[in-house]
Amino acid sequence: AQKITQTQPGMFVQEKEAVTLDCTYDTSDQSYGLFWYKQPSSGEMIFLIYQGSYDEQNATEGRYSLNFQKARKSANLVISASQLGDSAMYFCAMREGGGTGFQKLVFGTGTRLLVSP
Amino acid sequence: EAEVAQSPRYKITEKSQAVAFWCDPISGHATLYWYRQILGQGPELLVQFQDESVVDDSQLPKDRFSAERLKGVDSTLKIQPAELGDSAMYLCASSNPAPGQLPTGNTGELFFGEGSRLTVL
Repeated sequence: AQKITQTQPGMFVQEKEAVTLDCTYDTSDQSYGLFWYKQPSSGEMIFLIYQGSYDEQNATEGRYSLNFQKARKSANLVISASQLGDSAMYFCAMREGGGTGFQKLVFGTGTRLLVSP
Repeated sequence: EAEVAQSPRYKITEKSQAVAFWCDPISGHATLYWYRQILGQGPELLVQFQDESVVDDSQLPKDRFSAERLKGVDSTLKIQPAELGDSAMYLCASSNPAPGQLPTGNTGELFFGEGSRLTVL
């Protein structure tokens, strides 16, 4: 079973508009972390935002916010006031496990965002 | 700002040849990861090191891939012989502190290098 599901292969948004990128996850762990990374055409993965499973507030980082709905196991990324430079691939990822064992990030298949003028 | 260094950025090779990628993580980062990203897909973990020890290589095709981190600092990923299906981006990442020891407020995020793009002809 897929651990991380991103159902939107591509999304289009106009500059200055807001956009939501969907992510659902599957885990039986109580403690886990959810990440969003941006990958421009240059290839580097850039960390955007993090949400811990015990965090009560939705995470925010500048124009990025994470709409965390634990019961639905969803962790959607919201980008407000889109900019042309936001055009890139966006990956949702999950780290399972709390304080024991060796943890790794499992990534979804990504969503390509294109911002138009 | 400290970065994860990778080389080469691009590599073109013929099938059955050997190829090697090098990664230097952020200083002090105990955990190092090699991910493979096939075009149009998300990264998949190949191998994870904690200091010099391999802690997860369950997805590493061990008949042709090898990885080492001899002194617990930089790392080399080798493919021999290369096959057409190995064409991909090879991403190195590091994190700190060690997994399982995240202090409060630390996300344990991975810091990635720019990747090494391999084309096998």
